[in-house]
This record gives sequence, structure tokens and C-alpha cells, in this order.
Amino acid sequence: DAGITQSPRHKVTETGTPVTLRCHQTENHRYMYWYRQDPGHGLRLIHYSYGVKDTDKGEVSDGYSVSRSKTEDFLLTLESATSSQTSVYFCAISDSSYNSPLHFGNGTRLTVT
Amino acid sequence: GENVEQHPSTLSVQEGDSAVIKCTYSDSASNYFPWYKQELGKGPQLIIDIRSNVGEKKDQRIAVTLNKTAKHFSLHITETQPEDSAVYFCAASIYGNNRLAFGKGNQVVVIP
Repeated sequence: DAGITQSPRHKVTETGTPVTLRCHQTENHRYMYWYRQDPGHGLRLIHYSYGVKDTDKGEVSDGYSVSRSKTEDFLLTLESATSSQTSVYFCAISDSSYNSPLHFGNGTRLTVT
Repeated sequence: GENVEQHPSTLSVQEGDSAVIKCTYSDSASNYFPWYKQELGKGPQLIIDIRSNVGEKKDQRIAVTLNKTAKHFSLHITETQPEDSAVYFCAASIYGNNRLAFGKGNQVVVIP
């Protein structure tokens, strides 16, 4: 497996609280991504990063922010968690080669009550 | 933008038979098509990929075929085994950036 660690693996939180998920990689890859996975929707891109402090929005970015202060770490923050953000969140990485494959972490299951 | 669709959504096969999953895409500029396998409780794992300058690629019991004219590509699994039971995702590259558009996934069940 690619060296990707997501933390925490499971989290239960209450509506309205801020939540931060962490993705840590040991591959020194340039690109990092946050996806969410929901039944019937597959994998949807939230935000991605193409370098330190360089980030951009994906297709479902509302209510989420990201930060990348080091190559190896990409943080996803839910500003004020809502029940619709209950999901499984996956981090992925890829190197700088055009059309290079994504490698995924094992996910964080987030439940917002 | 790129739109990727997978069919069928669920596929049940007898152990030893073949399984075929088909994906269609909308953007003719897409030129990279990976397939991912996701087992319960894990992240998607790349199993095979193909680029647009190749029509077919094979790796042991799995193969992928690409028809650029019709804008579809398929995953073929031969001699299926119980460990092939999983959710399979196809994806297509989005022209101009390092992103992929994913299909919604197929549940494959191999019946012993």
C-alpha cells in the first residue's frame, strides 16, 4: 500500500461542531485529494492540492476547507458539521506525472449526530 | 465536464465464470482510464489502467478494453474467485488537470 495514513479512522461528532480530518503521506507526492463516498454517489471530490499552500475546490466543496502547510500533510476541516456531512472520507495522492494513478488511504468514517 | 457511467450496478456471477463491467464517458479528450477495486472497510485500490494509445491491456485474470470511438471501456475478470467480490470503480481523466471523474461503482458478487 502507498504510505497514506488517515486519522482518525472513526469519529462521531455533534451538529455544529468543527471537525478536522488529517491525511499524512510518506511518498512525497505533489498532489493530494479529499473525496467523500456516499451510497448512490460514488466518489466525489471535495478539495485537492497541487502543492504546498496550493489548493482548489472540487465538485462538493461547500462547508469544507483545506490546508496544506507541508508536502506530507493535507487537512480537511468541516467548519460546522451537519448531518449531510455524515460520510466516509478518503484521501488520495498522486505524483506529478500527467495521468498518473491515484492511491487512496483507508478512509475516515464520520458520523454527525 | 466529464461524466462517467457504469453498468450494471450489481453483478452476480458463479465462481469460475467471467465478469464484465462496462463504463461510458462523455469527454473525447479523456485519455487515461483506471479501474479500482474496493473491499469492505478499505480504500479503493488501483487494479489496472489503460491509456488512449492502447486498445487492450491484460494482467493475469483481469483485462481492460477501450473503444475510443464509442467512448466506452470495460473491465473483464476471467475465472472469477470469491476474493473478486468487491465494489469496482471506473474513472476517466479530466482533460487539462490531474483529476479523475469516477463512475458510481459496481458491486460484484462471486457465488461459490
